[in-house]
Amino acid sequence: GENVEQHPSTLSVQEGDSAVIKCTYSDSASNYFPWYKQELGKGPQLIIDIRSNVGEKKDQRIAVTLNKTAKHFSLHITETQPEDSAVYFCAASRGNAGNMLTFGGGTRLMVKP
Amino acid sequence: KAGVTQTPRYLIKTRGQQVTLSCSPISGHRSVSWYQQTPGQGLQFLFEYFSETQRNKGNFPGRFSGRQFSNSRSEMNVSTLELGDSALYLCASSATSGGNIQYFGAGTRLSVL
Repeated sequence: GENVEQHPSTLSVQEGDSAVIKCTYSDSASNYFPWYKQELGKGPQLIIDIRSNVGEKKDQRIAVTLNKTAKHFSLHITETQPEDSAVYFCAASRGNAGNMLTFGGGTRLMVKP
Repeated sequence: KAGVTQTPRYLIKTRGQQVTLSCSPISGHRSVSWYQQTPGQGLQFLFEYFSETQRNKGNFPGRFSGRQFSNSRSEMNVSTLELGDSALYLCASSATSGGNIQYFGAGTRLSVL
C-alpha cells in the first residue's frame, strides 16, 4: 500500500520567515495530494491541494509543488504569522481507491513573534 | 452551509464495552470516511461509505465497523473496546467518491479505561 513520509516533524521559524514542509510518497498511482492544518481541539482543515496533472499551485501565502518523477511534494508558506502555528499534514490518494487518504506523520510548525 | 457534525464530542468507556459514534456530513455530500488519530500511529484510514455501501476499508480488526444511512449520515461502531482504541475518531465528508476534497469534523475523543 501507499506510504507517505513527512519532514521535518517540528519546525520553528520567526514571524515573517518562510516555512517549507516536504513529503514523499511510494505509490506512483497516487494522483491527489491535499495538505491539512490541524489546530488544537479541532479537526484537520484543508488548506491547499494539488493533482498529478499540475506541478505547482498557489493560494496567497501558501503554495504546493509536486514532482511526480521523484514522488515528492512540498508545502511552502511565506510571510509566516503566529496564527500559522499548528500541525500540518500531507496526504496522498489514488482516484480509483475512493477517498482513502494516506497521511504523513505531521509537522508541528511554531511561528515565533 | 453547516459543516461536518460529529457526536458526541467526548466519550469515556471501559474495556470490553462497545461504542457507537455518529457523523452527519455536509448537506448534499454522499461520501463519509472515518479516520483514527493517535499520537503513536498518526492519522489512519478506517473505512469509507458512499451511497450506503462500504467503498474501502483500512487495516483495522473486525471490531471496527460502520454503516451509512439513506440520508448519508454515518455511524461507526467499535465492539469489545481495548485500551489501545483510545483515540480521536474523525469523520470526513465528500461530495462523491474518488480522490475528492474531504472536509473533516471536529472528531469524537474516545477514552477507554
